[in-house]
Amino acid sequence: EVQLQQSGAELGKPGTSVKLSCKVSDYNIRDTYMHWVNQRPGKGLEWIGRIDPTNGNTIYAEKFKSKATLTADTSSNTAYMQLSQLKSDDTAVYFCAIVPDWFAYWGQGTLVTVSS
Amino acid sequence: DVVLTQTPSILSAPIGQSVSISCRSSQSLLDSDGNTYLYWFLQRPGQSPQRLIYLVSNLGSGVPNRFSGSGSGTDFTLKISGVEAEDLGVYYCMQTTHAPYTFGAGTKLELK
Repeated sequence: EVQLQQSGAELGKPGTSVKLSCKVSDYNIRDTYMHWVNQRPGKGLEWIGRIDPTNGNTIYAEKFKSKATLTADTSSNTAYMQLSQLKSDDTAVYFCAIVPDWFAYWGQGTLVTVSS
Repeated sequence: DVVLTQTPSILSAPIGQSVSISCRSSQSLLDSDGNTYLYWFLQRPGQSPQRLIYLVSNLGSGVPNRFSGSGSGTDFTLKISGVEAEDLGVYYCMQTTHAPYTFGAGTKLELK
């Protein structure tokens, strides 16, 4: 069964960075794009970007181009998202998702809380 | 960027009633490959989104057939034929025809 296991909750101070992970089981990430989506408290879903793990090519939503950096390690079948220069409005749950079966597979989400 | 406008934002329905949610796009979602990459998701409280419908009208595996999707171009509809308690949550449309991909603002389905 395909599963996406995301890393645990993060507490980051303003101005610092955090790096989230998303490990995929039972599916080779070389065969899909990895997408990242966020959800601020009480708000809707927002697409951040996606990476092609085969070659590292990325596409970002404009507002996340200087905020998020997507990478992937095909040897461990894991994707990563680094969030830099954290601000209070980066507080959100961050989801990873893959394309097989038309976006059927999502991680459980990682809560990032930005607070001093 | 493509803007997806969902209406209504809140929907109250008793169990058994049929309801519809609209998703209107600021530009056509018909791709040059002939596909229209419009999805519908349900997010229950505290859970990850669950894909219901893909390519406008295709029911995802394991999704009850009381859900159906329709539309073309810029206008799309999700219909639930007979709401059940497990259907409560927030529904989102999403497009992946045009990068950056975008979601609608969501429609909250509540029990009346």
